[in-house]
Amino acid sequence: EDQVTQSPEALRLQEGESSSLNCSYTVSGLRGLFWYRQDPGKGPEFLFTLYSAGEEKEKERLKATLTKKESFLHITAPKPEDSATYLCAVAPGGGNKLTFGTGTQLKVEL
Amino acid sequence: GAVVSQHPSRVICKSGTSVKIECRSLDFQATTMFWYRQFPKQSLMLMATSNEGSKATYEQGVEKDKFLINHASLTLSTLTVTSAHPEDSSFYICSAPSGGAHEQYFGPGTRLTVT
Repeated sequence: EDQVTQSPEALRLQEGESSSLNCSYTVSGLRGLFWYRQDPGKGPEFLFTLYSAGEEKEKERLKATLTKKESFLHITAPKPEDSATYLCAVAPGGGNKLTFGTGTQLKVEL
Repeated sequence: GAVVSQHPSRVICKSGTSVKIECRSLDFQATTMFWYRQFPKQSLMLMATSNEGSKATYEQGVEKDKFLINHASLTLSTLTVTSAHPEDSSFYICSAPSGGAHEQYFGPGTRLTVT
């Protein structure tokens, strides 16, 4: 059974204070690992797809990395508008279904 | 990126009535769509996979007679919650894969409250 564990559950940062979110996974043949951002009362917004160990992707203050067992979402010099819940999900080889982690609720304060 | 819409965004209904939620892919075609529900402060739980032109595939523990799914066209899937009860109150979200990487794009969600 595919499993995704995210840590920490919640993270409070000061503006400009960089940090990382963790996503550990077990999956039957990884087709892709996905990061999403979800604001309260809204659907998840797609951020990144990672396919193989060693891959990295960046978007503004966010950088996602992947190893064979986990993925990190690095947030550099965060701003209050980066406050959201960040979700990690995996898709097994040959399938479209996503298994989600429980997310990390990030709050960035001035 | 691909855009998915949902309607309505919020609905309040009385116990015992049925509610239909629509999910549309606006700028792409989707032979498959997914329906999730999300309880407060919890992650998304896949309910079913909607397949255009054929029956939906339900996840274990999801009552297919209660949650009726119809994927009538390449851009529209509907979820009907039949004989709704207060425990069906939740946030329902649909998604559709798009592009070569098959990443899923999500709708804005529908908040269902059953009184």
